[in-house]
Amino acid sequence: AQKVTQAQTEISVVEKEDVTLDCVYETRDTTYYLFWYKQPPSGELVFLIRRNSFDEQNEISGRYSWNFQKSTSSFNFTITASQVVDSAVYFCALSEVGLKAAGNKLTFGGGTRVLVKP
Amino acid sequence: DGGITQSPKYLFRKEGQNVTLSCEQNLNHDAMYWYRQDPGQGLRLIYYSQIVNDFQKGDIAEGYSVSREKKESFPLTVTSAQKNPTAFYLCASSRAGGENQPQHFGDGTRLSIL
Repeated sequence: AQKVTQAQTEISVVEKEDVTLDCVYETRDTTYYLFWYKQPPSGELVFLIRRNSFDEQNEISGRYSWNFQKSTSSFNFTITASQVVDSAVYFCALSEVGLKAAGNKLTFGGGTRVLVKP
Repeated sequence: DGGITQSPKYLFRKEGQNVTLSCEQNLNHDAMYWYRQDPGQGLRLIYYSQIVNDFQKGDIAEGYSVSREKKESFPLTVTSAQKNPTAFYLCASSRAGGENQPQHFGDGTRLSIL
């Protein structure tokens, strides 16, 4: 069975500090996709990034960066120079291979709440 | 704007009552999903549908039912058999194409017991 673990339940930082969110996953599939979502206080989940299991290149998008290491089954997320607007719950998710017709089935981690104080 | 609309935002259920949560999307997505989120926890899949008139159980389907009569709509009924329905319910949709398509989410419905 697939599993996603986000060991940090809550992280509190002061504005402009960097914050790294850990994500460790378990799967028997050789092909899979990993996702990060942000859930602001309003409740909806906002898609941030997708990474496939064959692409281990790190990625940077503005103040966000992601470090995917297949050898350690980790897909960590760093916010550089955090801002108050970054305060949210962040979820890591793993897709299940098999629904070829349409869509995908996601396994979510428990989420990490990030609180950025001014 | 294209997106997913969930209604109502807040819903209260009496003992023994069935309630239905609405989910409508205008993204022309084939697949739709229902998740349950409990406080401090991640999302758990209730039901999903890949095409009209077809749907499958997720990890926690007991006490819930769905229908998919139209591509745009995927309502969720929380039945009286669901003994602990208090939670935040999120609907999502995605394009066809397999496991690489990101899911897009609605704003959620918060369900409480009276």
